[in-house]
Amino acid sequence: EAQVTQNPRYLITVTGKKLTVTCSQNMNHEYMSWYRQDPGLGLRQIYYSMNVEVTDKGDVPEGYKVSRKEKRNFPLILESPSPNQTSLYFCASSSATVSSYEQYFGPGTRLTVT
Amino acid sequence: AQTVTQSQPEMSVQEAETVTLSCTYDTSESDYYLFWYKQPPSRQMILVIRQEAYKQQNATENRFSVNFQKAAKSFSLKISDSQLGDAAMYFCAYRIPNTGNQFYFGTGTSLTVIP
Repeated sequence: EAQVTQNPRYLITVTGKKLTVTCSQNMNHEYMSWYRQDPGLGLRQIYYSMNVEVTDKGDVPEGYKVSRKEKRNFPLILESPSPNQTSLYFCASSSATVSSYEQYFGPGTRLTVT
Repeated sequence: AQTVTQSQPEMSVQEAETVTLSCTYDTSESDYYLFWYKQPPSRQMILVIRQEAYKQQNATENRFSVNFQKAAKSFSLKISDSQLGDAAMYFCAYRIPNTGNQFYFGTGTSLTVIP
């Protein structure tokens, strides 16, 4: 089954404790992205990647890091989380060769930073 | 700056009736993609419909259709014969062309379907 997986689905942590949210896709997609969703603000792109070792900043990259060492994986790293990073996070992937550029989303990760 | 505006935070519709959700966007590009995504209470993001800007014909997917007005930079979603399962948050999205994978989303419209 074609899918994007994220782990963990729920995470409660404390300020300053480094964490990683993993994202993996099994569709051999070139493009991958991370978004955060906040009430009243919709989805905002954090980082995106066009392929292995190619990443770029989205709209709200501050406080986040990403890496793309393998095509299927695109982890999101919060080196020193703060309460304003409490949010719902989505990973998404899409094909560079399919002209529709439809994004396939993971199930979301609910992060709470206290 | 690229922006996507959804001016209706909440909408409601009677079951079996028709509802239109509005979306406007700002761009200086001539070729781009627009999308509507649905987010039910499960939080899963589901693609509803897509539109390529160079295609003049409005996209249609079963009960869902769009009214794409390129000059006005408007991209509204019409849901016909509304069903209880249509109740969800709906997001309009714009893909910036030639930048790889940069997207902008609107703030969403919460749709309630009244039985």
